[in-house]
Amino acid sequence: SSELTQDPAVSVALGQTVRITCQGDSLRSYYASWYQQKPGQAPVLVIYGKNNRPSGIPDRFSGSSSGNTASLTITGAQAEDEADYYCNSRDSSGNHPLFGGGTKLTVL
Amino acid sequence: EVQLVESGGGLVQPGGSLRLSCAASGFTFSSYEMNWVRQAPGKGLEWVSYISSSGSTIYYADSVKGRFTISRDNAKNSLYLQMNSLRAEDTAVYYCATDYYGSGYMDVWGKGTTVTVSS
Repeated sequence: SSELTQDPAVSVALGQTVRITCQGDSLRSYYASWYQQKPGQAPVLVIYGKNNRPSGIPDRFSGSSSGNTASLTITGAQAEDEADYYCNSRDSSGNHPLFGGGTKLTVL
Repeated sequence: EVQLVESGGGLVQPGGSLRLSCAASGFTFSSYEMNWVRQAPGKGLEWVSYISSSGSTIYYADSVKGRFTISRDNAKNSLYLQMNSLRAEDTAVYYCATDYYGSGYMDVWGKGTTVTVSS
């Protein structure tokens, strides 16, 4: 079955750069999107497609992909970036969205 | 303002039923595909179901297939999720979400409604 695998937790010093990764076979066929979720709030789309940011998302967020791995990079992490981040793609059928298990980002 | 508002959550006993609703406003609901996504307490996001703009195409996650039914009423700008034979593992916040901005992904989400399955 299709799976997207993320590291459970990552930390970064304030102002530094952090990369959050997502691995899965479906990423060879489909781009990943990335969601940010803060406690008690709904997810917010921060990156989609090859490397696109919805309106209002700071340009310190960027995305990339290579083989079966997608990455979300935050360049110059801010305190407000502390959140859970989920990657999202499709399963092998292409019909079902698939989420990674999430990465808890701590900004030190 | 584009808005999705879920309702209908609550406490239900195992084996029971519940119907969730998602009211859409600020956009032409009948033109957009819709999804339900859930999140169990302390867990990650899980896609539940999809319905096309006309309602003619529907998909379910294996975990809910045969128990949940997604539907929509475009005249009422509303999305529904009928949940039957509920189990403890269905306890979650249920979100409705859509690809409004044409990103190809779910880019507008409601705030969610909480379903608790417990005796």
